[in-house]
Amino acid sequence: EVQLVETGGGLIQPGGSLRLSCAASGFTVSSNYMTWVRQAPGRGLEWVSVIYSGGRTYYADSVKGRFTISRDMSKNTLYLEMNSLRDEDTAVYYCARYDNWFDPWGQGTLVTVSS
Amino acid sequence: EIVMTQSPATLSVSPGERATLSCRASQSVSSNLAWYQQKPGQAPRLLIYGASTRATGTPGRFSGSGSGTEFTLTISSLQSEDFAVYYCQQCNNWPLTFGQGTKVEIK
Repeated sequence: EVQLVETGGGLIQPGGSLRLSCAASGFTVSSNYMTWVRQAPGRGLEWVSVIYSGGRTYYADSVKGRFTISRDMSKNTLYLEMNSLRDEDTAVYYCARYDNWFDPWGQGTLVTVSS
Repeated sequence: EIVMTQSPATLSVSPGERATLSCRASQSVSSNLAWYQQKPGQAPRLLIYGASTRATGTPGRFSGSGSGTEFTLTISSLQSEDFAVYYCQQCNNWPLTFGQGTKVEIK
Protein backbone atom coordinates (compact mmCIF):
# COMPACT_ATOMS: atom_id res chain seq x y z
CA GLU A 1 0.00 0.00 0.00
CA VAL A 2 1.24 3.45 -0.92
CA GLN A 3 1.37 5.60 2.21
CA LEU A 4 2.94 8.79 3.56
CA VAL A 5 3.26 9.60 7.26
CA GLU A 6 4.39 13.04 8.45
CA THR A 7 5.90 13.76 11.85
CA GLY A 8 7.75 16.59 13.52
CA GLY A 9 5.14 19.28 13.93
CA GLY A 10 4.60 21.20 17.14
CA LEU A 11 4.61 24.57 18.85
CA ILE A 12 7.61 26.76 18.09
CA GLN A 13 8.44 30.38 18.85
CA PRO A 14 8.86 32.93 16.08
CA GLY A 15 12.40 32.81 14.74
CA GLY A 16 12.78 29.16 15.67
CA SER A 17 13.51 26.08 13.60
CA LEU A 18 11.75 22.78 13.04
CA ARG A 19 12.31 19.75 10.85
CA LEU A 20 9.38 17.82 9.42
CA SER A 21 9.71 14.23 8.24
CA CYS A 22 7.59 12.27 5.79
CA ALA A 23 8.12 8.52 5.77
CA ALA A 24 7.00 6.75 2.62
CA SER A 25 5.98 3.14 2.08
CA GLY A 26 4.92 1.32 -1.05
CA PHE A 27 7.10 3.41 -3.36
CA THR A 28 10.56 4.96 -3.54
CA VAL A 29 10.85 8.64 -2.59
CA SER A 30 14.02 9.24 -4.58
CA SER A 31 12.44 7.96 -7.81
CA ASN A 32 9.58 10.42 -7.63
CA TYR A 33 8.89 14.12 -7.45
CA MET A 34 7.97 14.87 -3.85
CA THR A 35 6.36 17.99 -2.47
CA TRP A 36 5.22 19.82 0.63
CA VAL A 37 1.89 21.62 0.69
CA ARG A 38 0.55 23.58 3.65
CA GLN A 39 -2.83 24.77 4.84
CA ALA A 40 -3.21 27.57 7.34
CA PRO A 41 -6.11 27.17 9.80
CA GLY A 42 -9.40 27.64 8.00
CA ARG A 43 -7.64 28.53 4.77
CA GLY A 44 -6.87 26.99 1.40
CA LEU A 45 -3.93 24.99 0.11
CA GLU A 46 -0.51 26.47 -0.65
CA TRP A 47 2.29 24.65 -2.43
CA VAL A 48 5.56 25.06 -0.50
CA SER A 49 8.37 23.08 -2.11
CA VAL A 50 9.28 20.28 -4.52
CA ILE A 51 12.27 18.00 -4.96
CA TYR A 52 12.67 16.33 -8.31
CA SER A 53 13.85 12.75 -8.67
CA GLY A 54 17.12 14.18 -9.99
CA GLY A 55 17.53 16.27 -6.86
CA ARG A 56 16.62 19.73 -8.15
CA THR A 57 14.57 21.74 -5.68
CA TYR A 58 12.12 24.65 -5.94
CA TYR A 59 10.37 26.76 -3.35
CA ALA A 60 7.44 29.12 -3.06
CA ASP A 61 8.57 32.73 -2.72
CA SER A 62 7.03 32.84 0.76
CA VAL A 63 9.54 30.30 2.10
CA LYS A 64 12.54 30.72 -0.20
CA GLY A 65 15.76 31.12 1.76
CA ARG A 66 14.17 29.85 4.98
CA PHE A 67 12.98 26.30 4.15
CA THR A 68 15.00 23.41 2.72
CA ILE A 69 13.55 20.24 1.22
CA SER A 70 15.65 17.08 1.21
CA ARG A 71 15.39 13.30 1.26
CA ASP A 72 17.18 10.28 2.71
CA MET A 73 17.27 7.34 0.32
CA SER A 74 18.24 4.84 3.01
CA LYS A 75 15.21 5.80 5.11
CA ASN A 76 12.88 6.44 2.15
CA THR A 77 11.97 9.69 3.88
CA LEU A 78 11.34 13.26 2.78
CA TYR A 79 12.22 16.22 4.98
CA LEU A 80 11.41 19.90 5.31
CA GLU A 81 13.85 21.95 7.35
CA MET A 82 12.16 25.19 8.42
CA ASN A 83 14.19 28.10 9.80
CA SER A 84 13.36 31.67 10.82
CA LEU A 85 9.76 30.64 11.37
CA ARG A 86 7.08 33.32 11.31
CA ASP A 87 3.53 33.51 12.64
CA GLU A 88 2.26 33.14 9.07
CA ASP A 89 3.98 29.75 8.73
CA THR A 90 1.39 28.30 11.13
CA ALA A 91 -0.33 25.54 9.15
CA VAL A 92 -0.87 21.86 8.67
CA TYR A 93 1.97 20.64 6.49
CA TYR A 94 1.28 17.80 4.09
CA CYS A 95 3.76 15.84 2.04
CA ALA A 96 2.58 14.42 -1.26
CA ARG A 97 3.94 12.64 -4.27
CA TYR A 98 3.78 14.84 -7.35
CA ASP A 99 3.17 13.67 -10.93
CA ASN A 100 1.44 16.77 -12.33
CA TRP A 101 -1.01 16.24 -9.51
CA PHE A 102 -0.66 15.47 -5.82
CA ASP A 103 -1.31 11.85 -4.94
CA PRO A 104 -1.13 10.38 -2.42
CA TRP A 105 -1.08 12.80 0.52
CA GLY A 106 0.04 12.19 4.06
CA GLN A 107 -2.28 12.91 6.96
CA GLY A 108 -0.48 16.17 7.77
CA THR A 109 1.39 17.55 10.75
CA LEU A 110 0.48 20.80 12.50
CA VAL A 111 3.08 23.50 12.95
CA THR A 112 2.12 26.35 15.26
CA VAL A 113 4.38 29.39 15.39
CA SER A 114 3.55 31.48 18.44
CA SER A 115 5.19 33.13 21.40
CA GLU B 1 1.83 33.20 -10.99
CA ILE B 2 -1.39 31.72 -12.31
CA VAL B 3 -4.37 32.66 -10.18
CA MET B 4 -7.11 30.06 -9.86
CA THR B 5 -10.58 31.34 -9.01
CA GLN B 6 -13.34 29.00 -7.91
CA SER B 7 -17.04 29.72 -7.80
CA PRO B 8 -19.23 29.72 -5.91
CA ALA B 9 -17.51 29.85 -2.53
CA THR B 10 -20.35 27.82 -1.03
CA LEU B 11 -22.88 25.64 -2.81
CA SER B 12 -25.98 24.43 -0.97
CA VAL B 13 -27.38 21.28 -2.52
CA SER B 14 -29.91 18.65 -1.50
CA PRO B 15 -28.87 14.98 -1.53
CA GLY B 16 -29.59 13.45 -4.92
CA GLU B 17 -29.29 16.76 -6.73
CA ARG B 18 -26.63 17.78 -9.23
CA ALA B 19 -23.76 20.06 -8.25
CA THR B 20 -21.69 22.11 -10.66
CA LEU B 21 -18.46 23.71 -9.47
CA SER B 22 -16.42 26.14 -11.55
CA CYS B 23 -12.72 26.93 -11.71
CA ARG B 24 -11.15 29.66 -13.80
CA ALA B 25 -7.45 30.18 -14.50
CA SER B 26 -5.93 33.63 -15.05
CA GLN B 27 -4.16 32.25 -18.12
CA SER B 28 -4.36 29.05 -20.10
CA VAL B 29 -3.30 25.87 -18.31
CA SER B 30 -4.30 23.60 -21.22
CA SER B 31 -5.71 20.44 -19.61
CA ASN B 32 -3.23 20.51 -16.76
CA LEU B 33 -5.82 20.75 -14.00
CA ALA B 34 -6.70 18.55 -11.05
CA TRP B 35 -9.58 18.49 -8.57
CA TYR B 36 -9.33 17.46 -4.92
CA GLN B 37 -11.87 16.71 -2.24
CA GLN B 38 -11.19 17.57 1.40
CA LYS B 39 -13.34 16.57 4.34
CA PRO B 40 -12.96 18.15 7.80
CA GLY B 41 -9.84 16.97 9.60
CA GLN B 42 -8.62 15.00 6.60
CA ALA B 43 -6.00 15.46 3.93
CA PRO B 44 -7.13 16.36 0.43
CA ARG B 45 -7.81 13.45 -1.90
CA LEU B 46 -7.23 13.47 -5.65
CA LEU B 47 -10.49 13.15 -7.58
CA ILE B 48 -9.77 14.22 -11.15
CA TYR B 49 -6.56 14.85 -13.10
CA GLY B 50 -5.86 15.98 -16.63
CA ALA B 51 -9.08 18.01 -16.32
CA SER B 52 -11.33 15.00 -16.96
CA THR B 53 -9.71 11.71 -15.91
CA ARG B 54 -11.08 10.15 -12.75
CA ALA B 55 -8.45 9.02 -10.26
CA THR B 56 -8.50 5.47 -8.97
CA GLY B 57 -11.41 5.09 -6.60
CA THR B 58 -13.30 8.18 -7.73
CA PRO B 59 -16.99 7.30 -8.20
CA GLY B 60 -18.51 7.66 -11.64
CA ARG B 61 -20.86 10.41 -10.46
CA PHE B 62 -17.86 12.79 -10.49
CA SER B 63 -16.90 14.24 -13.85
CA GLY B 64 -14.52 16.97 -14.93
CA SER B 65 -14.50 19.03 -18.08
CA GLY B 66 -12.90 22.07 -19.65
CA SER B 67 -9.56 23.23 -20.99
CA GLY B 68 -7.63 26.45 -21.29
CA THR B 69 -9.01 28.74 -18.61
CA GLU B 70 -12.48 27.38 -17.81
CA PHE B 71 -13.09 24.13 -15.93
CA THR B 72 -16.04 22.41 -14.32
CA LEU B 73 -16.45 19.65 -11.76
CA THR B 74 -19.87 18.04 -11.82
CA ILE B 75 -21.30 15.71 -9.22
CA SER B 76 -24.32 14.13 -10.90
CA SER B 77 -26.25 13.03 -7.82
CA LEU B 78 -24.91 14.14 -4.48
CA GLN B 79 -24.43 11.51 -1.82
CA SER B 80 -24.00 12.23 1.89
CA GLU B 81 -20.27 11.49 1.67
CA ASP B 82 -19.79 14.13 -1.03
CA PHE B 83 -20.38 17.10 1.25
CA ALA B 84 -16.89 18.55 1.51
CA VAL B 85 -14.62 21.28 0.19
CA TYR B 86 -13.36 20.94 -3.37
CA TYR B 87 -10.17 22.52 -4.71
CA CYS B 88 -8.89 22.89 -8.24
CA GLN B 89 -5.14 23.03 -8.91
CA GLN B 90 -3.17 23.94 -12.02
CA CYS B 91 -0.05 21.99 -12.89
CA ASN B 92 0.91 23.87 -16.04
CA ASN B 93 3.29 26.41 -14.54
CA TRP B 94 5.40 26.82 -11.42
CA PRO B 95 4.51 27.83 -8.82
CA LEU B 96 1.69 25.32 -8.68
CA THR B 97 -1.44 27.07 -7.49
CA PHE B 98 -4.79 26.09 -6.03
CA GLY B 99 -8.18 27.72 -6.10
CA GLN B 100 -9.58 28.95 -2.80
CA GLY B 101 -12.07 26.10 -2.65
CA THR B 102 -15.81 25.53 -2.98
CA LYS B 103 -17.65 24.19 0.03
CA VAL B 104 -20.53 21.89 -0.89
CA GLU B 105 -22.99 21.85 1.98
CA ILE B 106 -26.31 20.21 2.66
CA LYS B 107 -29.31 22.33 1.74
